[in-house]
Amino acid sequence: SAVISQKPSRDICQRGTSLTIQCQVDSQVTMMFWYRQQPGQSLTLIATANQGSEATYESGFVIDKFPISRPNLTFSTLTVSNMSPEDSSIYLCSVDGGGETQYFGPGTRLLVL
Amino acid sequence: GNSVTQMEGPVTLSEEAFLTINCTYTATGYPSLFWYVQYPGEGLQLLLKATKADDKGSNKGFEATYRKETTSFHLEKGSVQVSDSAVYFCALTLDNYGQNFVFGPGTRLSVLP
Repeated sequence: SAVISQKPSRDICQRGTSLTIQCQVDSQVTMMFWYRQQPGQSLTLIATANQGSEATYESGFVIDKFPISRPNLTFSTLTVSNMSPEDSSIYLCSVDGGGETQYFGPGTRLLVL
Repeated sequence: GNSVTQMEGPVTLSEEAFLTINCTYTATGYPSLFWYVQYPGEGLQLLLKATKADDKGSNKGFEATYRKETTSFHLEKGSVQVSDSAVYFCALTLDNYGQNFVFGPGTRLSVLP
């Protein structure tokens, strides 16, 4: 299985600011995924990031709010822009693990004041 | 569409009790099925999976059997420990490349000493 790290692990931010979350995986992967987990809730897919192409966003998520970069096969970033308290969530990166499985990073816990 | 339903939590058990967390699914084809576990303050970890009918996934004393006739994938453990306290997510995908996961709402398990 892939080993995935995320930075920062947690942050407290002021409304109106932006935060960039990094996701690093220890092997080359085709697809990386970004999820949001609101307090006490399940996971909601934000977007799928393939290297060398624009990220594909799910309904309700837009590039201006959640710009994503995927510069190579082991790294991706998600930016949460112009934050409001409603953006307080856990943001999780995952990767395709070969075959049908996804493996997840430890998550970034974001609190927006 | 595809969906996953789990028993509502929280589930509270005493140490060494038997655990069952029910999971049923609706899918337009033959999905692969997964259980993920999220320990407090952490990301999701793959617990077990099954990719075809009658397969049994097992790991760390947990088991689940893919039942096509009842569209179910119930998670069981014969004797829970305090360290099993976590949120458990049932999930499915119809994709062979790790995309298009559908997660259940999660079931919180608390095991008391």
